[in-house]
Amino acid sequence: EDKVVQSPLSLVVHEGDTVTLNCSYEVTNFRSLLWYKQEKKAPTFLFMLTSSGIEKKSGRLSSILDKKELSSILNITATQTGDSAIYLCASETSGSRLTFGEGTQLTVNP
Amino acid sequence: DADVTQTPRNRITKTGKRIMLECSQTKGHDRMYWYRQDPGLGLRLIYYSFDVKDINKGEISDGYSVSRQAQAKFSLSLESAIPNQTALYFCATSDSSETGSLNEQFFGPGTRLTVL
Repeated sequence: EDKVVQSPLSLVVHEGDTVTLNCSYEVTNFRSLLWYKQEKKAPTFLFMLTSSGIEKKSGRLSSILDKKELSSILNITATQTGDSAIYLCASETSGSRLTFGEGTQLTVNP
Repeated sequence: DADVTQTPRNRITKTGKRIMLECSQTKGHDRMYWYRQDPGLGLRLIYYSFDVKDINKGEISDGYSVSRQAQAKFSLSLESAIPNQTALYFCATSDSSETGSLNEQFFGPGTRLTVL
């Protein structure tokens, strides 16, 4: 059975802190790993990772995939209150479906 | 205008009622998906469709059915709603690529369903 696990499940930090969110996966015929941000509505796409060791960046957010460890991390530097959200990790599995993790609830306090 | 729309946005119903949730997209994507989201469980796939003639069960299809009326429309039905189907339901779309690999999925705004 395909499985994606995220940690921590929740995290509270202060503005300006740097956070690292973790995602591990056990899936059949791995193709890619995706990160989404979900505020009060629909998830919005952040990154898609297919190659190990290549960092993807978007502003203060960055992510990297480690295929040897079957994991990925999402880093957010200099956090802002607007970064408060649920961060979802998903793995593309056989049959071109996504299996999602439980999500990490990040709260950034002023 | 939103690329992926869902109706209704909120619905309260009673046990045993038949409910239909609708999803429309203007992105021209061929793949459409229905997920439900419950606290602490992330998103779970109910059904997905890779084109109008292709319907597949996801990991939690029991108690649900779907209809792909056109490339742009994918509806989810609960034939006889029960309280544990209370959840936030998302429709999503994606485009197929030449390699057959999944591209990013675009989500609708969600439908909050409460079954009393």
